[in-house]
Amino acid sequence: RKEVEQDPGPFNVPEGATVAFNCTYSNSASQSFFWYRQDCRKEPKLLMSVYSSGNEDGRFTAQLNRASQYISLLIRDSKLSDSATYLCVVNHNQAGTALIFGKGTTLSVSS
Amino acid sequence: NAGVTQTPKFRVLKTGQSMTLLCAQDMNHEYMYWYRQDPGMGLRLIHYSVGEGTTAKGEVPDGYNVSRLKKQNFLLGLESAAPSQTSVYFCASSSTGSSFYEQYFGPGTRLTVT
Repeated sequence: RKEVEQDPGPFNVPEGATVAFNCTYSNSASQSFFWYRQDCRKEPKLLMSVYSSGNEDGRFTAQLNRASQYISLLIRDSKLSDSATYLCVVNHNQAGTALIFGKGTTLSVSS
Repeated sequence: NAGVTQTPKFRVLKTGQSMTLLCAQDMNHEYMYWYRQDPGMGLRLIHYSVGEGTTAKGEVPDGYNVSRLKKQNFLLGLESAAPSQTSVYFCASSSTGSSFYEQYFGPGTRLTVT
């Protein structure tokens, strides 16, 4: 089983739609979880961290289910500018080093 | 602030040639990383550094070497390029403490090995 798995999509939605992405991770000892956003031919950028209690940032809501080893990202009222690839990212240990990236889910929002 | 910069942005190499990719950050970050991104593979860690003068291997280190002689710079070297090293290379950096896990990425270097 791959460490971080995502549905690659693409998800094609109209403006104003609500869309949800899911991600599963294999290491039950994983401690930190994130969603990064990557625009076409650009570098990844942190979108939001994912906390155990769930967290919201404007139109974006992230949820974590440790028992199922599952992370989700919900985007409400989609905008054209939300079109990008969303990377699910996990870090396994407190000592740090690197992040484990999923392959990403592509979202295309159309008018 | 420039953040994280990478040089060059594009490069074409012939098999067997060598080159060095330069990463520079002006955020005084302790940690720096080199990743490669290939279609269908996601980002994979090549090497990383937890401070000046220290480096360590990541997931896919073979064929690459790195050096961190100055805190702000992290160099990635290809001694004898191979077509399998055709990829987009991203450098990233992060600070210590609570913001450790936010990695700031450079714009990438697109390398083609023929």
